[in-house]
Order: sequence, then C-alpha cells, then structure tokens
Amino acid sequence: GAVVSQHPSWVICKSGTSVKIECRSLDFQATTMFWYRQFPKQSLMLMATSNEGSKATYEQGVEKDKFLINHASLTLSTLTVTSAHPEDSSFYICSAMDTGRGYEQYFGPGTRLTVT
Amino acid sequence: KQEVTQIPAALSVPEGENLVLNCSFTDSAIYNLQWFRQDPGKGLTSLLLIQSSQREQTSGRLNASLDKSSGRSTLYIAASQPGDSATYLCAVPLISGNTPLVFGKGTRLSVIA
Repeated sequence: GAVVSQHPSWVICKSGTSVKIECRSLDFQATTMFWYRQFPKQSLMLMATSNEGSKATYEQGVEKDKFLINHASLTLSTLTVTSAHPEDSSFYICSAMDTGRGYEQYFGPGTRLTVT
Repeated sequence: KQEVTQIPAALSVPEGENLVLNCSFTDSAIYNLQWFRQDPGKGLTSLLLIQSSQREQTSGRLNASLDKSSGRSTLYIAASQPGDSATYLCAVPLISGNTPLVFGKGTRLSVIA
C-alpha cells in the first residue's frame, strides 16, 4: 500500500518552545492531508484539514495560531505547535488521501510529543 | 452528524478462535468504510477499504462486510493469532470521500497463546 512518513517519530521539548512535525506522502501526491490528535486510550480526533496551496481548515476548538499548518507541496504538510505547553503533549498522526485509489486514506506512523 | 460506535470495547480470546468485531454508524450515506489496526504507541495500518457499492472485502484471514442500509460493518478474523493483538478501528468519511474520517473508539483485541 501507499506510504506516509512522519518526522520526528518522537520529540521532547520544553514549555514555551515550538515544534515542527512533517508529514510526507512518499509514493503518491496528496492534495489533501489531515492532522489528528490522539490522547491515551482514546480514538483519533481531527484537528485540521490541510489543502495544498491554500489555508488549512481547523476544527472547532483547535487554535489556528497555535497549531500552524503549511501544505506547500503535493507531498508535504507540516504542523507546527507554537509555544507548546504540557497539555499539548499527545500523539499526533497525519493522513494523506490517495484520490487515485478510491479515496483511501493512509496514515503516518505518528509523532509522540512530550512537553516538559 | 456522523457517529461511529464499536463493540465490544475489548475482547480476549484464545489463539485459533474465529472472532467478529462490530461497527455501526449513524448516517448510512457513506462513501466508503475503512478498518484499521493500531498497535500500542504506533500509527494506523489500513486493513480493508470497502466502497459503498460493495458488500464485503477480504484480505488473508480478514473479511469485512458492509450493510449500508442498517448502518453496520463487521470485521471477521479467522484463526486468530497472538500477533493479531491490537486495537481495531472502524472509520467512515465525515461527509464525502474527500473528507476526514470519523473514528469509532476501537476494539482492543487480545489473543492469548
């Protein structure tokens, strides 16, 4: 199946710093990518929809100025957590949609963010 | 608003058993349905994708069925193995195919050797 990568796989940062997470579709072009967040023992919750060449669409309750999303190419979307706080510690997962395969979504391996 | 429910929340079976995981969704006008597997601390692995026009999909020991009219899908795992232990998630697109997925809370499966 299609491959989506995320980098880094885990990161520990101090409160107040910013962290950038990359999501790449390795063998297909993705005009749309999605960013999800998952807290322990809970399911995935959508944060935002990332569209190549346009502004991201954020879900209610997700601060767009805190979670900056950039989708500059058809294979790369980035999520930057600005001024991170301990409550931002979570598992962040991106997905990319392959419209050539019946809109099947492929997920990255996730990024574990810990803010101390 | 589309909502996805999965039962049971957890399941423990001895190795070799056949088992069924259930998924239901409130809005039957789905574009497709996906089953995923998630190992602890890991991302999601897509297992099966069923288009709205299909009734079932098979991959190895896995068989997923879809009944749109009743808003249900089942994932059948044959001859379970300890390596099948994971959380299984069911998801449908929020509105149409080109939209984010709505996930159930998952079924945590443990296969005991």
